[in-house]
Amino acid sequence: DSGVTQTPKHLITATGQRVTLRCSPRSGDLSVYWYQQSLDQGLQFLIQYYNGEERAKGNILERFSAQQFPDLHSELNLSSLELGDSALYFCASSVGDSTGGYEKLFFGSGTQLSVL
Amino acid sequence: ILNVEQSPQSLHVQEGDSTNFTCSFPSSNFYALHWYRWETAKSPEALFVMTLNGDEKKKGRISATLNTKEGYSYLYIKGSQPEDSATYLCAFSIAGGFKTIFGAGTRLFVKA
Repeated sequence: DSGVTQTPKHLITATGQRVTLRCSPRSGDLSVYWYQQSLDQGLQFLIQYYNGEERAKGNILERFSAQQFPDLHSELNLSSLELGDSALYFCASSVGDSTGGYEKLFFGSGTQLSVL
Repeated sequence: ILNVEQSPQSLHVQEGDSTNFTCSFPSSNFYALHWYRWETAKSPEALFVMTLNGDEKKKGRISATLNTKEGYSYLYIKGSQPEDSATYLCAFSIAGGFKTIFGAGTRLFVKA
């Protein structure tokens, strides 16, 4: 158990809908990362937050947004869902500091999103 | 564009064989190189994080080396066991940035 909690584990929804994925980092970790794993794709970096502030952005679509709350949990909001958004969404956390990048990431078990 | 390449894509070995995989990454703006092990139906787990050219890390039968000047890292597994079957992911972090970019992984199958 990595200590990172993601809910829900599975989500089935229809095109055009909006969903929210939730992540609670390990106790004491300040950085939260979101990754998308699609079929035949590696882990695609979406976005990173450090202590409530957006720190880095990857290939995140405009229809997607995220935030990190004062209690350090994070939510990834996916709207106007399309079939191609079906994927496994991972959250990871690290202790985090002002430099970042050299710390091990601890991954949650993922949320499997199916858009029908 | 930051691109991390891993080879081979997949590998089938017999129990007891030693094996190695390659990770290639941009050598400019290097900050850190990560290796993760990802078993089916589980989450990726960190094996090593390396930051210095020439770094070598070891954990049991698994070891890794880093060459930041030429932009590659090797992961070695000595005496492969069936429980080593997993996808091995390499990830690269750039200096001053906070992105950790993953390669597509090498899928290892160890046959008993």
